[in-house]
Amino acid sequence: QVQLVQSGAEVKKPGASVKVSCKASGYTFTSYDINWVRQATGQGLEWMGWMNPNSGNTGYAQKFQGRVTMTRNTSISTAYMELSSLRSEDTAVYYCARGGYCTGGVCLNNWFDPWGQGTLVTVSS
Amino acid sequence: EIVMMQSPATLSVSPGERATLSCRASQSVSSNLAWYQQKPGQAPRLLIYGASTRATGIPARFSGSGSGTEFTLTISSLQSEDFAVYYCQQYNNWPPWTFGQGTKVEIK
Repeated sequence: QVQLVQSGAEVKKPGASVKVSCKASGYTFTSYDINWVRQATGQGLEWMGWMNPNSGNTGYAQKFQGRVTMTRNTSISTAYMELSSLRSEDTAVYYCARGGYCTGGVCLNNWFDPWGQGTLVTVSS
Repeated sequence: EIVMMQSPATLSVSPGERATLSCRASQSVSSNLAWYQQKPGQAPRLLIYGASTRATGIPARFSGSGSGTEFTLTISSLQSEDFAVYYCQQYNNWPPWTFGQGTKVEIK
């Protein structure tokens, strides 16, 4: 079955960086976008950015420009999201989610399904 | 950026009753609207895409309707497992993908 499995919880100090992984299985990794979404405790869903695993092209929400980097390793079907200059407000659960099916430069069906189980990142001194 | 607005913020419903959730977009998103369900401690789960198409394995008591700027998610007869937070999301104009703030469906 199609599945995304994320790395475990992290505790970081303010100013540090965190890198979360998202391993895909059950489908062709390079055929679908990967999106990253975060959720602070008790809050809603906040889209952070997307990556096309085939080309490596990325797009980031303006809020995170300059602080977030999304990469992939196609040989192990894994996507990564690195967030730098962490502050307490970055404490949240971070999710990866499979996005649109991309072929010939066109991406279709751009909803998110499935989602990874989430990775709690805690930023605290 | 398209802003998605959901109402109400909280909906109190008795088991077996009907629940109607609303989602409004700040500009037309055609039928490019998805609904997700999120239970405490779990990741969101896709319920509906294309405004009205149920995702694989989603029970028929969930239905979606609407197009343009006004959308509705209806749960025809609430089961205990349906008490959760529901989010709408537009994927017509991206990036960014945008979500509503969520509607919590709680037991009355």
